[in-house]
Order: sequence, then C-alpha cells, then structure tokens
Amino acid sequence: DVKVTQSSRYLVKRTGEKVFLECVQDMDHENMFWYRQDPGLGLRLIYFSYDVKMKEKGDIPEGYSVSREKKERFSLILESASTNQTSMYLCASSYMDTQYFGPGTRLTVL
Amino acid sequence: AQTVTQSQPEMSVQEAETVTLSCTYDTSENNYYLFWYKQPPSRQMILVIRQEAYKQQNATENRFSVNFQKAAKSFSLKISDSQLGDTAMYFCAFMRGGGAQKLVFGQGTRLTINP
Repeated sequence: DVKVTQSSRYLVKRTGEKVFLECVQDMDHENMFWYRQDPGLGLRLIYFSYDVKMKEKGDIPEGYSVSREKKERFSLILESASTNQTSMYLCASSYMDTQYFGPGTRLTVL
Repeated sequence: AQTVTQSQPEMSVQEAETVTLSCTYDTSENNYYLFWYKQPPSRQMILVIRQEAYKQQNATENRFSVNFQKAAKSFSLKISDSQLGDTAMYFCAFMRGGGAQKLVFGQGTRLTINP
C-alpha cells in the first residue's frame, strides 16, 4: 500500500512564526503536491514538485514556499504565518494519473 | 483554465438508497481524466473512480458508477445500495492529460447516509 504521511495532524502557531509542514511518501513517486482545503472552495493547489529540487507554483502560491531535497520528502514553508493561512493542508504524491493523499494537517494561526 | 463545479453542497439519503452526485467541468482540452475522490470524516482522501475522456464507456467500481457526458461536460457519480460507510465529502476532480498530473477540484459535496 502507498503510504503518505504528514508530520502533524494538528498545529497551532502564532502570527509571524515560520511554519514547516512535512510530507513523506514511501513509494518512490516523482510527483508530489501541496493543497489547502477550505470549506466551499474544495482543494486548491499551492505548489507541486516533479523531481528533487524541482518545483512549480500552483494556483495559490503567495505566502508559501517549498523544499524538496530528497525524493521522498516535500516540505511546505510558511515564512511568516498569517491568520488567513488557517486551513487544512493536504499533501499528495502521484503515480501515473492517481494521487495518494496524506491524512492532512489542520493548521490554526492565532 | 479548467474549472470544476459541484452544485450540491450537501446531500442526505437513507441507507440502501441510490444517490447521484453531480459534477460539471469546463475545458478546451481533448485529452483529460476525471476523478471522484472520497474523504471520510477525519480520514484520508481516497480515489473512488476514474474516467479517461477518450473512453466512451462509463467507469464502474462495485457500487460506484459514473455517467460521463463528454459533450455536456458532465460527470456524475452514482452510489447504489448506499451504506453508512459511504458518509463522506466527495470531490470531483479534473486532470489534463500528458501534463504534470495536477488536479483541479470541485467544491465538494457532503454526503450523509442515514440509518
């Protein structure tokens, strides 16, 4: 079975803090993705990566950056967290046309 | 840009009934894939069913089937003999073929199966 794990299920941070969300997959997938999920908006793509050290902006990259130093790990970074970044963050990796999702991190920024 | 629209924010049916979730999309592409993903409460999102746009035959996975109307850009999901475990958020998603495998999601439909 494909396994995608995320470092935290719940996270509470303060405005202005630097936040790291980690995602690890164990299936040697080349593509990895970060989404945020908000009620009524579905999932929106923040960033994706198609290889180590390669990244591309998604639909809502503002306020976020990413890092992929190893194939199995894809990190989402909030340089200076703001309250409008309170959301559920989902990581995914893909093989062929199927994406496999992690359990999500519910981030609250106070 | 592609868009995906799910016009039913919430639905509720009785156990064993059949329910249909609606999805429409907009694209100028000819090569694409469509998906339904399921997100149970507090659990991981999983793939329910997928459809290649070039295939006319509707995809089926056990109790789940789709009605793919390419000309109308409609992709509905039918759940037959619904079960309590089908209670979840359901997302319709679009992926352009031959690209970077990015998904465009609809807003989601919250489906509740009542005993």
